[in-house]
Amino acid sequence: EAAVTQSPRNKVAVTGGKVTLSCNQTNNHNNMYWYRQDTGHGLRLIHYSYGAGSTEKGDIPDGYKASRPSQENFSLILELATPSQTSVYFCASGDEGGVDAEQFFGPGTRLTVL
Amino acid sequence: QQQVRQSPQSLTVWEGETAILNCSYEDSTFNYFPWYQQFPGEGPALLISISSVSDKKEDGRFTIFFNKREKKLSLHITDSQPGDSATYFCAASPSSGSWQLIFGSGTQLTVMP
Repeated sequence: EAAVTQSPRNKVAVTGGKVTLSCNQTNNHNNMYWYRQDTGHGLRLIHYSYGAGSTEKGDIPDGYKASRPSQENFSLILELATPSQTSVYFCASGDEGGVDAEQFFGPGTRLTVL
Repeated sequence: QQQVRQSPQSLTVWEGETAILNCSYEDSTFNYFPWYQQFPGEGPALLISISSVSDKKEDGRFTIFFNKREKKLSLHITDSQPGDSATYFCAASPSSGSWQLIFGSGTQLTVMP
């Protein structure tokens, strides 16, 4: 059974503070992704990774950094959190691309920046 | 600029009816179209998918109809059940072998008992 877990599940941060969202997958997938979900926008890709040590910018990377220290773990870092980063964040893992490629999502982290 | 558009934003049907969710895209190189289902408080999960070489894909009560010429597809849910109440996302993959998915903004479906 595919398994992607995220921590914390809920987080309240102050403007200007540093926030780290963590993701762990036991699928042994090479690819991992960070999305944010906002009403009216669906899921938007922030950063992704092809494997340990690699991080790439997605469609909306500004204000975010990512870290992939191992195959299993992928973190999203907000160095200076702002209220506009209040959102629900999803991590996903997946195999190589192509037809029938599937991404497996975690349960999400609800972040509120005050 | 959204590359994948969904309509309607929300849809309410009665139990037993057929729900029709629509999706359109702009880039003709897109060739893989998965639909993800998301329940409140959970992450999205793959429901059904279709490649651009097919015009129809069926899985139980869920059917995708695909019109490549018009760059449109639709998800039909027959005999809708209250347990189908969820948000449905249409997504597209830019090209064969690509890992990337571009998501639409979703349709929130409510099935009334």
